[in-house]
Amino acid sequence: QKEVEQDPGPLSVPEGAIVSLNCTYSNSAFQYFMWYRQYSRKGPELLMYTYSSGNKEDGRFTAQVDKSSKYISLFIRDSQPSDSATYLCAMRGSARQLTFGSGTQLTVLP
Amino acid sequence: GAVVSQHPSWVICKSGTSVKIECRSLDFQATTMFWYRQFPKQSLMLMATSNEGSKATYEQGVEKDKFLINHASLTLSTLTVTSAHPEDSSFYICSARDEGGLAALGGYEQYFGPGTRLTVT
Repeated sequence: QKEVEQDPGPLSVPEGAIVSLNCTYSNSAFQYFMWYRQYSRKGPELLMYTYSSGNKEDGRFTAQVDKSSKYISLFIRDSQPSDSATYLCAMRGSARQLTFGSGTQLTVLP
Repeated sequence: GAVVSQHPSWVICKSGTSVKIECRSLDFQATTMFWYRQFPKQSLMLMATSNEGSKATYEQGVEKDKFLINHASLTLSTLTVTSAHPEDSSFYICSARDEGGLAALGGYEQYFGPGTRLTVT
């Protein structure tokens, strides 16, 4: 079993839809949770980050962490074609190495 | 955020030759840099952790004699793919750790380069 599981998609939604991206994990030592966005043929860029459980909102993006269920989510409201990318969840504990999910490919159709 | 550059962004080489990829942190010093490999529609696979002034730490299954890593300064790490073969064709991404990074992330953050696409013919 992988430490981090992420539905690879692909996921295709119409413009304006609410998108839900999810990851589950098995390592209870993970404390820091991140979402990266990667456009085609580009490196990942940090989109959202949270520490421990809870919600965090930034514009159209909301990150949720439920440590009791070992489940994290990224919600995108009013999705735009420019949101089309691969979204990678990543997490780490006190060890400084990131563990990535496999990435979900999202396409927002105009 | 901080910037990490990679050069070249795209390279084609013949089988049996060696290719060097450079990774630079442009506005911060990075004691630690990472090299990842990514196949199409797959996630990033950590190849090795590069520490300035010391030997790199390679992940299990990564041939250290084939993927030579040098981290000679606090702003530069290089990955050399030696005797490249078609199966080495991939997207290579470096990342640099900024120790003066976000407090909410435990005081450090990883910034990623734009990647280098290697094609071995």
